[in-house]
Amino acid sequence: DVKVTQSSRYLVKRTGEKVFLECVQDMDHENMFWYRQDPGLGLRLIYFSYDVKMKEKGDIPEGYSVSREKKERFSLILESASTNQTSMYLCASSPPGTLNNEQFFGPGTRLTVL
Amino acid sequence: AQSVTQPDIHITVSEGASLELRCNYSYGATPYLFWYVQSPGQGLQLLLKYFSGDTLVQGIKGFEAEFKRSQSSFNLRKPSVHWSDAAEYFCAGLFGSSASKIIFGSGTRLSIRP
Repeated sequence: DVKVTQSSRYLVKRTGEKVFLECVQDMDHENMFWYRQDPGLGLRLIYFSYDVKMKEKGDIPEGYSVSREKKERFSLILESASTNQTSMYLCASSPPGTLNNEQFFGPGTRLTVL
Repeated sequence: AQSVTQPDIHITVSEGASLELRCNYSYGATPYLFWYVQSPGQGLQLLLKYFSGDTLVQGIKGFEAEFKRSQSSFNLRKPSVHWSDAAEYFCAGLFGSSASKIIFGSGTRLSIRP
């Protein structure tokens, strides 16, 4: 089974702190994604990556950056956390190719910024 | 622009009753379509997907969905719901053979009445 793990289930940070959210997948997937999930808004794509050291902006990249130094790991970085970044963050991965673009999700990290 | 719409924010059905969750998409051709389920505190799990062929798709946990091109719809159904089906359900679409991003609907929360 594909496994996507996220470093923390719950995280509480203060405004202005630098925050790292880590995601690791064990199925050698090329594609990895970071979403945030907010009530009534569904999932919104923040960033995604097709390969190591490669990244693409999603729909709401402002205030975030990402890092993909190894194929299995995709990190989301909040350079200076703000209260409006309080949310559930979901990581996903998928193999290459359109027909296989089913995404496999991690359990999520619920981030609270005070 | 491509979009996925779930018109029902919250639905309550009685245990043992039938269920239909609505999903509509906006696109000039046939997209790839998915239904995901998110149980409380969990990540998303794929229920079923439609790429082409038979318009009635069977998924896991007794769910099925029917693609109707004329109505731009991909509604999810289950003949008899169980209390464990209480969750949030997301419809999603992949638009175009070279598309890289899945677009999610805003979700429908399903509650089960004992």
